[in-house]
Amino acid sequence: QSVLTQPPSASGTPGQRVTISCSGSSSDIGISTVNWYQQIPGTAPKLLIYKNNQRPSGVPDRFSGSKSDTSASLAISGLQSDDEADYYCAAWDDSLNWVFGGGTKLTVL
Amino acid sequence: EVQLVESGGVLVQPGGSLRLSCSASGFTFRSNSMSWVRQAPGRGLEWVSFISDSSRSIYYADSVKGRFTISRDNAENSLYLQMNSLRAEDTAVYYCARVVGAYRQTYFDYWGQGTLVTVSS
Repeated sequence: QSVLTQPPSASGTPGQRVTISCSGSSSDIGISTVNWYQQIPGTAPKLLIYKNNQRPSGVPDRFSGSKSDTSASLAISGLQSDDEADYYCAAWDDSLNWVFGGGTKLTVL
Repeated sequence: EVQLVESGGVLVQPGGSLRLSCSASGFTFRSNSMSWVRQAPGRGLEWVSFISDSSRSIYYADSVKGRFTISRDNAENSLYLQMNSLRAEDTAVYYCARVVGAYRQTYFDYWGQGTLVTVSS
């Protein structure tokens, strides 16, 4: 059972905009910035969004993040076939742990 | 170019021990905190342990506390995870990751390719 709650799956057609939610509590997202990781099956996770809404160099601006109180969202606009992957949110909690969401499998139809 | 290369993952019997290594290059290793994150087959990511740049601060997930020990050798640009009293539920791909920031604003910006640990009789 993951500390942060994400929908297990999401889908969209090429060109669409999809959002993935991440719900936490006052002990984690409520006191921490949120980060998002993309994982293509069989490969290592890759940092996608950090500090709620910052994109590392090389990440397209189609990807955006937001946070409000104890929840966060990842939005992907102009959906492409190679966006098909697993997406994880993550935050730090007040027990000196780093916690992840259970992951959302994104399918591009 | 930042590179993290894990090694040491093997098949081990329940109750056994194992030491994972992570060799770092392409950045000033001694200036960065590091973590281990694992992923059981078909499951999500689980943070395992954290060590600060000087090794002064060390934290563990409750699931491994008392059984795993994280350490580092800044002279060798290497991170380690000593795993004792291994259980079937420790079976996972173990990733080392570079940590950026502090506490509430930390994130893992680079990850290794992972090493598979299988605990089975």
